[in-house]
Amino acid sequence: QSALTQPASVSGSPGQSITISCTGTSSDVGAYDYVSWYQQHPGKAPKLMIYDVSNRPSGVSNRFSGSKSGNTASLTISGLQAEDEADFYCSSFTTRSTLVFGGGTRLTVL
Amino acid sequence: EVQLVESGGGLVQPGGSLRLSCAASGFRFSSFEMNWVRQAPGKGLEWISYISLSSSTIWYADSVKGRFTISRDNAKNSLYLQMNSLRVADTSLYYCARGWTVAAIDSWGQGTLVTVSS
Repeated sequence: QSALTQPASVSGSPGQSITISCTGTSSDVGAYDYVSWYQQHPGKAPKLMIYDVSNRPSGVSNRFSGSKSGNTASLTISGLQAEDEADFYCSSFTTRSTLVFGGGTRLTVL
Repeated sequence: EVQLVESGGGLVQPGGSLRLSCAASGFRFSSFEMNWVRQAPGKGLEWISYISLSSSTIWYADSVKGRFTISRDNAKNSLYLQMNSLRVADTSLYYCARGWTVAAIDSWGQGTLVTVSS
């Protein structure tokens, strides 16, 4: 199965908002509301930031929000902070009963 | 505190086998679905396998189907991954990962490194 498509990099200044897109197909992102987002700092394990398109686990800042339209999901980070700088990955459940991740997006806080 | 500790990684020749283990603690292991996810050096995440609470449902990525076998022992709070016919492309950090919903992973181990090389 092909990976979901994410931009390789995005950047923003402290306090700004950024959005990372995650494009799939009608067999994954478009099929179910089972899109998740993960943050991974260098040398660390990933951390769940959003699940089921727009739900935040306990302890995750409300500066992080998720949405979906058709075959494209999005992660928005508002009020950018230096500690947000990391790699972000989306994932989706698929009609073949598998999980597929995006290629990852490097967020740089300028 | 949720803890997932992987072990069993190492250097193996192409065509060889390895068995990874994951010791879980800090939560009721038998109540959570589990996954293995891997990450090649400098690359992105790749989901490779899922197992349900009672092992009745198991899924694999196409890249490992027929070569890898996931299993669990709820009495021992442990998850396993038997890896056969290993390829150079299987070289990765392998994460043990706890399922949160059908498609979300809320806890990850620190990973165990598998290197396939001659």
